[in-house]
Amino acid sequence: DTAVSQTPKYLVTQMGNDKSIKCEQNLGHDTMYWYKQDSKKFLKIMFSYNNKELIINETVPNRFSPKSPDKAHLNLHINSLELGDSAVYFCASSLRGRTSYEQYFGPGTRLTVT
Amino acid sequence: AQSVTQLDSHVSVSEGTPVLLRCNYSSSYSPSLFWYVQHPNKGLQLLLKYTSAATLVKGINGFEAEFKKSETSFHLTKPSAHMSDAAEYFCVVSEADNAGNMLTFGGGTRLMVKP
Repeated sequence: DTAVSQTPKYLVTQMGNDKSIKCEQNLGHDTMYWYKQDSKKFLKIMFSYNNKELIINETVPNRFSPKSPDKAHLNLHINSLELGDSAVYFCASSLRGRTSYEQYFGPGTRLTVT
Repeated sequence: AQSVTQLDSHVSVSEGTPVLLRCNYSSSYSPSLFWYVQHPNKGLQLLLKYTSAATLVKGINGFEAEFKKSETSFHLTKPSAHMSDAAEYFCVVSEADNAGNMLTFGGGTRLMVKP
């Protein structure tokens, strides 16, 4: 009965490859997010989708493309991976509408680009 | 624009002693504030949240935080640290705009608990 799940948990790949990370939530939320946590533990939002519509798109290279087939899923595809993409990527979900709605986070995907 | 400053990147306490993790925020509107905890190699778990009701907020595992608008602070405390409290703690501010609920994270405070 995991609330927010991500696959894979670990991803090791070479520069130039294309990879995807999948996220699913079973909380009935209408909004999902991708965050990047760098090596210094700093967390920054990348994207947010509400009911399959992109609503937040921070300054992220075009190589990153999120896709939301339905409001329970948000996938992240990364083209032409670079060394600097190595990080932990977290998916989260919430209800939209009030700032008091907390976000629930997945366990993270540790991406290592060699 | 909103921002969060966690004043200490590392805090070390002995088991059984009080914990204080400091957080200051800035926000254009009345924000919601959260504390999240991240144990090593784990995801983020919500500890507590402030949403303009009571200024003293109680969370899980004996943690609490006090919202002080005049000081723009939201410090996290616990009367007695336990070894299992060792983790990274994030103070977070949430502000809604037309694009949705934006969470802004502080830089994190690593709490170390000595036996």
